[in-house]
Formats: sequence, C-alpha cells, structure tokens
Amino acid sequence: DAKTTQPNSMESNEEEPVHLPCNHSTISGTDYIHWYRQLPSQGPEYVIHGLTSNVNNRMASLAIAEDRKSSTLILHRATLRDAAVYYCILSPTGNQFYFGTGTSLTVIP
Amino acid sequence: EAQVTQNPRYLITVTGKKLTVTCSQNMNHEYMSWYRQDPGLGLRQIYYSMNVEVTDKGDVPEGYKVSRKEKRNFPLILESPSPNQTSLYFCASSRAGTANYGYTFGSGTRLTVV
Repeated sequence: DAKTTQPNSMESNEEEPVHLPCNHSTISGTDYIHWYRQLPSQGPEYVIHGLTSNVNNRMASLAIAEDRKSSTLILHRATLRDAAVYYCILSPTGNQFYFGTGTSLTVIP
Repeated sequence: EAQVTQNPRYLITVTGKKLTVTCSQNMNHEYMSWYRQDPGLGLRQIYYSMNVEVTDKGDVPEGYKVSRKEKRNFPLILESPSPNQTSLYFCASSRAGTANYGYTFGSGTRLTVV
C-alpha cells in the first residue's frame, strides 16, 4: 500500500486558515486521496477526497499537486471544533485504508 | 438518523473468554469494516466486507473472526481474547465504490482483556 507522510502536529489561531500538508510520493495512478479527521473520543469522520483535481465541500478544500505526490487540506477558517487528528489516506478502491498516525491540529483561541 | 451502532461501548473481559462486538448500520451500505486503534499505531484495518457473505482480511486479522449474514450487521468475534487485543475498536460502513463515498464510523468499543 502506498503510504503518506504528515507532520505529527500543527497549531493554528482561531478564525485563520489552516493548511495541512500530506506527502505521498509513491502514489499510483488509481489511488484516491482521502482525508478524515478524528475528534477526541469519537470515531473518524470523513472530510473530503479527490483523485486529480482540486475539490471543495462545505467542510474543507483539497488541493492536489499536479504530479499528485502531495496534497493539502485547507480549512478556510479554523474553529475550536476543528481541533482533531487529521488523516491523509491513499486507497485505489476504498476497501482498504492505511490511516497512519495523522496530524494533531491544535486551534488556539 | 443515519448511523453505525456498536455495542458495547466498553467491555472488560478475561483472557480466553469468547466475546462478540456487534455492529449495525441503517444506511443500506454494502461495505463494512472493522478497525482497531492503538496509541502510536493509528487505526489498522482488521477485516472488511464488500457485501453479504463476502469478507476479506485487512492488515491485522489474526485472532479475530467476522461474519456478514445480513447487510446491516457485521459482528466482530474474538474466540479466545488475549491481553494484546486490548484496544479501541471501530466499525465503519460505506456505499459501494468507496473511492467515491466516505466511510461512516461508529462511536467505538473500548475493550480491555485482563
């Protein structure tokens, strides 16, 4: 399975944009890029996914590099409720996910 | 409300005593999966199922069994639990073609084996 590399932790001030990076240099052409987040004491929650083009939804935006070897999850205005562990995951079919340890995001009031 | 329901939320058991953790979803999802989460190791997939009577091993299947007799249910069975299976377990479900749909996760089951 192709693996991803994320920083262990990041901090952001409340109401500022947050850019969470993910490197996936061994990504294959059929791998979708998924992002999930896990709030304290909860199960993971789907955030966004994409294949080649940038994607937007109500929660976040996903920017995918042209060579697809990296991607960035963008939270446009961080709130205290966005404090969570964010996972960047590659999967060709979505059946098997390798979550890794993710990035722990701290939002500072 | 669309949801994945796991039971129990907390369970303490003794080594070797068979147990079952239930998982049920009300969204008519084809895909279901079990994960365990351990500190420093993240979430690791145990088993997954693409539809009724179809199951396959994930990354850490040893010591676990699953069954998928009905679409909505995907129980996780530990025939002879051991202390190294102490962990936080999550069940998840998704519509077919998960590359295009997100997984919905349950709230988790914290299992302690003494």
